[in-house]
Amino acid sequence: EPEVTQTPSHQVTQMGQEVILRCVPISNHLYFYWYRQILGQKVEFLVSFYNNEISEKSEIFDDQFSVERPDGSNFTLKIRSTKLEDSAMYFCASSVGTGNHEQYFGPGTRLTVT
Amino acid sequence: AQSVTQPDIHITVSEGASLELRCNYSYGATPYLFWYVQSPGQGLQLLLKYFSGDTLVQGIKGFEAEFKRSQSSFNLRKPSVHWSDAAEYFCAVGAKAAGNKLTFGGGTRVLVKP
Repeated sequence: EPEVTQTPSHQVTQMGQEVILRCVPISNHLYFYWYRQILGQKVEFLVSFYNNEISEKSEIFDDQFSVERPDGSNFTLKIRSTKLEDSAMYFCASSVGTGNHEQYFGPGTRLTVT
Repeated sequence: AQSVTQPDIHITVSEGASLELRCNYSYGATPYLFWYVQSPGQGLQLLLKYFSGDTLVQGIKGFEAEFKRSQSSFNLRKPSVHWSDAAEYFCAVGAKAAGNKLTFGGGTRVLVKP
């Protein structure tokens, strides 16, 4: 069964460093998402992406964040200058369509900022 | 703005007993509703979804959920739990807007006693 994959599974970085989290969505999916879950808190929407542009972003997704689909398979989340409060589990998801179409989630990347 | 509340943070249930997880949502129109399960170290797996039609929906692993518009609820049930059902369960509401973001509840952690 096709699945969303994410790398790395765990990333440790120092405050102020740039990180890139990578995702490979399911191949025939057209919509891509990033969510995050700070330890002990809710899963929060960050951004959705379709047709090579951002469809919607949350207030969390400020200028420090960017997303890209550099080729036909990868979908990346970049944090330019990490802060301690960026420590969280980051989930990538993809879907074939919108509305009632299921979003398939990857296993997540745990980002630890020290 | 849409929101989801899961009143129970933890539930402990004996193996073989029934399980009900509560979910209340706030959304301006008929929502798309989802239940996801997260096992340790895993991503979010969809159990079931509701978007229209029959208000009692069946999902995977023997789960079902009932949409009650009058109560703004979408409670998840299982008649007889198995030890493998120990996990965290998330209720989510989906937007029909272009961004298609999911808004999650805080989750309910289910512990299964032998």
